[in-house]
Amino acid sequence: SQQGEEDPQALSIQEGENATMNCSYKTSINNLQWYRQNSGRGLVHLILIRSNEREKHSGRLRVTLDTSKKSSSLLITASRAADTASYFCATDAHNYGQNFVFGPGTRLSVLP
Amino acid sequence: DAGVIQSPRHEVTEMGQEVTLRCKPISGHDYLFWYRQTMMRGLELLIYFNNNVPIDDSGMPEDRFSAKMPNASFSTLKIQPSEPRDSAVYFCASTGGTANEKLFFGSGTQLSVL
Repeated sequence: SQQGEEDPQALSIQEGENATMNCSYKTSINNLQWYRQNSGRGLVHLILIRSNEREKHSGRLRVTLDTSKKSSSLLITASRAADTASYFCATDAHNYGQNFVFGPGTRLSVLP
Repeated sequence: DAGVIQSPRHEVTEMGQEVTLRCKPISGHDYLFWYRQTMMRGLELLIYFNNNVPIDDSGMPEDRFSAKMPNASFSTLKIQPSEPRDSAVYFCASTGGTANEKLFFGSGTQLSVL
């Protein structure tokens, strides 16, 4: 089974609103990453948070990590139509060696 | 740097044909990953290399799939013979240093097997 599971599967909001996506995982990790994928394109790295960090910011992005609950959240503030994309969390699952395991993703639609 | 370069961008082939996908990682990156993305199964890791050596190929679906990395700047993923269920987007990604850092993805190859 996949290490990361995003929630919700799909999210539709109005421009200017905040978007929150969640990720849960099963095993211990060194870090967790969030990626964005625009339709028909490759994934683009957004932010990395290490297991000893609880919160990280990058521009309009805020990521939190709760290792006790094995969960992370990605908050996009003041969303724009250009934020419309799929968002994936990825973990370095130790059970799978030195690689990355991606969740199924959250499809975000930001309506103008 | 031009980023991770994949070719072809699109490939349409008939069942039973051989398909070869190509990837040029970012210069200096010592890890290379091949992923497959479908609606049903999401993003699956097929195989990854470290310093041109295959480290984990447990995600390769079956013997019809093979991957090589003859040097640090080139990798191929071959499917022979191809089947309709192989239709997917295949991504190559690379990273430098340890594998616990961010991945840089190519634009992918959209494969359609008829």
